[in-house]
Formats: sequence, C-alpha cells, structure tokens
Amino acid sequence: DQQVKQNSPSLSVQEGRISILNCDYTNSMFDYFLWYKKYPAEGPTFLISISSIKDKNEDGRFTVFLNKSAKHLSLHIVPSQPGDSAVYFCAATLTSGTYKYIFGTGTRLKVLA
Amino acid sequence: ETGVTQSPTHLIKTRGQQVTLRCSSQSGHNTVSWYQQALGQGPQFIFQYYREEENGRGNFPPRFSGLQFPNYSSELNVNALELDDSALYLCASSFAPGGYGYTFGSGTRLTVV
Repeated sequence: DQQVKQNSPSLSVQEGRISILNCDYTNSMFDYFLWYKKYPAEGPTFLISISSIKDKNEDGRFTVFLNKSAKHLSLHIVPSQPGDSAVYFCAATLTSGTYKYIFGTGTRLKVLA
Repeated sequence: ETGVTQSPTHLIKTRGQQVTLRCSSQSGHNTVSWYQQALGQGPQFIFQYYREEENGRGNFPPRFSGLQFPNYSSELNVNALELDDSALYLCASSFAPGGYGYTFGSGTRLTVV
C-alpha cells in the first residue's frame, strides 16, 4: 500500500520557467512533510519541509504548498535552473515516536538550458 | 563538520551470505535511521536507533538487524541474503528522532547474486 505517491515519474522544464512537482498521500494522520533532492551517486539532500499547521512554506526559489483536504502537496521551483535537474522525493511522517519517513517513488526533473 | 559517511560504497554478495554495512553519523547527531532503496522506488524505512537503542522498525524481517555504538555510529547487518535484498542502503542521522530533516549518506549499493 503506497501511502505517498508521486504519479509523475519525470518532468522536463525550460530553464527560467516554473517547475511544479506533485505528491499525494493517503494517511490523514501525517503531520509533517518534506522534499528531498537526489543526484546520482549521492544521498538524498533535504530541501524544504512543511508542518500540517501551515499551507505554504517558502525558501528562496523553493515553495511547498500543502492542501490537507485534498491530501496533496506540491513543490514549486521558480525560476528553474539546470542545476535543479535531479530526482525529487516527497516524504511524510507522524511527529510522534519514530518519525519514520514514508517516501514517494520520486520524480526525475530535467531542466533544459 | 563532517557529514554522514557510509562504507563500503559498493558490495557484491552471494545469496545466503551475511553482510555488514557501516555508517558514521554527522557530528552532534545521536539518531541514525536506515533505509532501503530498491531500483525505481523511494527509500523504505528499515529501523532507527536513538542513543544505542532501537527506536522503531519498519516491515523488514528479523534477519535485518542493527547496532548503534556509543559514538553514535551504526551498523546494519543482513543475514541469509536474498536476491531481493539488492538495493541501495541509506543511512541518515539527525539531532533527535525525526529532527527537521535527516542528513543522508551517499549509500551502500548491495548486489546479491
């Protein structure tokens, strides 16, 4: 049972334009969400997170939106840069106990110069 | 400040053998979590260690076991290797269970033949 889903395996965007990566989850108990970026041969790198008490969090070019009623979150990258080309994973967790993260299957973003 | 280091980076084992993977956590981090990432999938939680005690476990059989040492480094042991154990094994450390985003190592690529 895939509790966190990223339905787009890949996305191509022109440099300078907006990249929008989507993520859906099924467990309404999740209360903390994160995005990680992964380059080949490297471990995932933390990008941005959001608590369920918020619906938006910004950090520079990266903004995460959370729609709890739709159980949906998205990551916006504006403007997209070629260095953003990577695999992006969303993850969800319960902020009690282990805090184990449930990851989606990832979206490969390619930013075209 | 050093990050999370994992060893070895690559490993080939035969079905039925045993393997030990090692992880040095980031300086100041007392929590280590292990994840398995199969090809084309997101990382899956194996277990977490906090101050040398297991602090939660995912849906992995008992042949997956771990240890955390007083310096907060950690080992993942897998007995009776199966072909499906072939994956990237990621170690992540944090200031506390969950923290605000783990710091991941680059992983150990295990191939079982």
